[in-house]
Amino acid sequence: AQSVAQPEDQVNVAEGNPLTVKCTYSVSGNPYLFWYVQYPNRGLQFLLKYITGDNLVKGSYGFEAEFNKSQTSFHLKKPSALVSDSALYFCAVSYPTDSWGKLQFGAGTQVVVTP
Amino acid sequence: GAGVSQSPSNKVTEKGKDVELRCDPISGHTALYWYRQSLGQGLEFLIYFQGNSAPDKSGLPSDRFSAERTGGSVSTLTIQRTQQEDSAVYLCASSLGPRFGRDPEAFFGQGTRLTVV
Repeated sequence: AQSVAQPEDQVNVAEGNPLTVKCTYSVSGNPYLFWYVQYPNRGLQFLLKYITGDNLVKGSYGFEAEFNKSQTSFHLKKPSALVSDSALYFCAVSYPTDSWGKLQFGAGTQVVVTP
Repeated sequence: GAGVSQSPSNKVTEKGKDVELRCDPISGHTALYWYRQSLGQGLEFLIYFQGNSAPDKSGLPSDRFSAERTGGSVSTLTIQRTQQEDSAVYLCASSLGPRFGRDPEAFFGQGTRLTVV
């Protein structure tokens, strides 16, 4: 079965410190990997994706993520967190051999950035 | 509009009633998806439409749930005989689809918050 794991329910970080949100996935073919962010009472916003090519991908708002095939991980990172980064972050996987773009989401990680 | 539009934004209904939720995808997007977000279940895939192909209904939780997409654009998700466990935020998303393999990300609407009382 395909699954996405976000092992941390919540990540707390002080403003200006590095932020990492972890994501691992089960192995099955060549997945597409995504990060989405959800602010309170708002829909999901796309942050970045990995399809192929460079393992380090850069996305919106200064976020980046590193694809590690051997560890089946796709951790989200930001060098210097802002209070405005406080939100709910979702890792997602899709497999083009399945229904195209059908996303399987992790449970989400709440990020709290304190001033 | 520029984004995925969903209506209504909020819906309160009595148990046993039918509801219809509407999604208007981004113009030109051939793929359309419905998801459900609830406290207990997180984000769940419900159904997926791609062009004129038969929809992938594998995520629909029961036969009370159905969806259609008319003219390859607007979609309606219908829940019959609503139950309290149907209370959730229903999210619609669209994407360019498989012909545009370099840009498969889905763009989400703001969602419809359904409350069954």
